[in-house]
Amino acid sequence: AQSVTQPDIHITVSEGASLELRCNYSYGATPYLFWYVQSPGQGLQLLLKYFSGDTLVQGIKGFEAEFKRSQSSFNLRKPSVHWSDAAEYFCAARNAGGTSYGKLTFGQGTILTVHP
Amino acid sequence: GAVVSQHPSRVICKSGTSVKIECRSLDFQATTMFWYRQFPKQSLMLMATSNEGSKATYEQGVEKDKFLINHASLTLSTLTVTSAHPEDSSFYICSASSTGNSPLHFGNGTRLTVT
Repeated sequence: AQSVTQPDIHITVSEGASLELRCNYSYGATPYLFWYVQSPGQGLQLLLKYFSGDTLVQGIKGFEAEFKRSQSSFNLRKPSVHWSDAAEYFCAARNAGGTSYGKLTFGQGTILTVHP
Repeated sequence: GAVVSQHPSRVICKSGTSVKIECRSLDFQATTMFWYRQFPKQSLMLMATSNEGSKATYEQGVEKDKFLINHASLTLSTLTVTSAHPEDSSFYICSASSTGNSPLHFGNGTRLTVT
């Protein structure tokens, strides 16, 4: 079965520190990959996406993610975290192409806490 | 950028009543919209795919008679929770995409509380 796994439920970092949120996927073929951020009581905002090509993807708010096929991973990174980055982060995937483009499979989410 | 508006943001209703949630794509046409449900401290689970002008496609385990979906136009999909029960209390989020390979844009969600 297709799945997306975020091993870390909760991560705490200090403001200004670097951040890496892990994401692994299990799909028959390389899926399209996404990272979303959700603030409390809000919908999801797309940070970045990977469809193909360059494996290092730049997103909004200074985030980037690296696709590693050999590790079935798509980890999210930020060099210096700001207090406003505190939120919940979701990794998601869907089958590449076809008509099932909206059928995203989400990871369990990682809650990020930022200490001043 | 693309905006998806969801209304209401919060609703409290009594057990046995029905609640309608609207999802609108404000600056693009969405032939397909998606409805997700999120339980506290859990991830999002796809409930159904809403197709403009045709019946919705429900995921396994989702009661189509309880969660009525109507996609009457290219910019509006509605989810009606019929005969709501306390276990239906959840956070419901809609999403839409303008084209097949466009990423989904999500509404801000609706917090439903059934008393």
